[in-house]
Amino acid sequence: QVQLQESGPGLVKPSQTLSLTCTVSGDSITRGSYSWSWIRLPAGKGLEWIGRAYTTGSTTFNPSLKTRVTISLDTSKNQFSLTLNSVTAADTAVYYCARDRLLLDVWGRGTTVTVSS
Amino acid sequence: EIVLTQSPGTLSLSPGERATLSCRASQSVSSNYVAWYQKKPGQAPRLLIHGASSRATGIPDRFSCSGSGTDYTLTISRLEAEDFAVYYCLQYGSSLYTFGQGTKLEIK
Repeated sequence: QVQLQESGPGLVKPSQTLSLTCTVSGDSITRGSYSWSWIRLPAGKGLEWIGRAYTTGSTTFNPSLKTRVTISLDTSKNQFSLTLNSVTAADTAVYYCARDRLLLDVWGRGTTVTVSS
Repeated sequence: EIVLTQSPGTLSLSPGERATLSCRASQSVSSNYVAWYQKKPGQAPRLLIHGASSRATGIPDRFSCSGSGTDYTLTISRLEAEDFAVYYCLQYGSSLYTFGQGTKLEIK
């Protein structure tokens, strides 16, 4: 059974960098034709796709976040990570990682990140 | 970027009733690559439908979807207590995925 688990700090100060990791079990992040995505859900709002990393290492991002986002794979640990720079209160959300087999079919349970001083 | 608009924002129904949720795209979705997710508080989104009409593994047949091009509809034929949640559509026909803003299905 494929499982994804997000981890990282629950509190980040404004203007600093948010860093999260997604640990994948039951599947390999190097499996061909897959990619690995991050999505977030701000309180009171809808789901927002952040971006993805392909097994080749190439990436695609939501244009609204493109200048601040990095997604990378750590194949030795079967993990992928999200980095979001220069955060503000608007980045407060539950962050999810998901397997992307052309669609987002398996998700982690999510981790809450609050941006506050 | 394809913008998805879901309606209604909130739908108030009783168990046993039929629910009809709409998702309209700003442009035609390639290959009808539309998915529907169910979201409950504290839980990960659950994939219900993909390819506009195919139920995901383990999804009961009271969930169905129809549509093509720019208009898609999720129907829940007979609501059960566990179906009250927020529903999102997703288009994955473009490399830039986009979600609708969600429809909250609440108990009347």
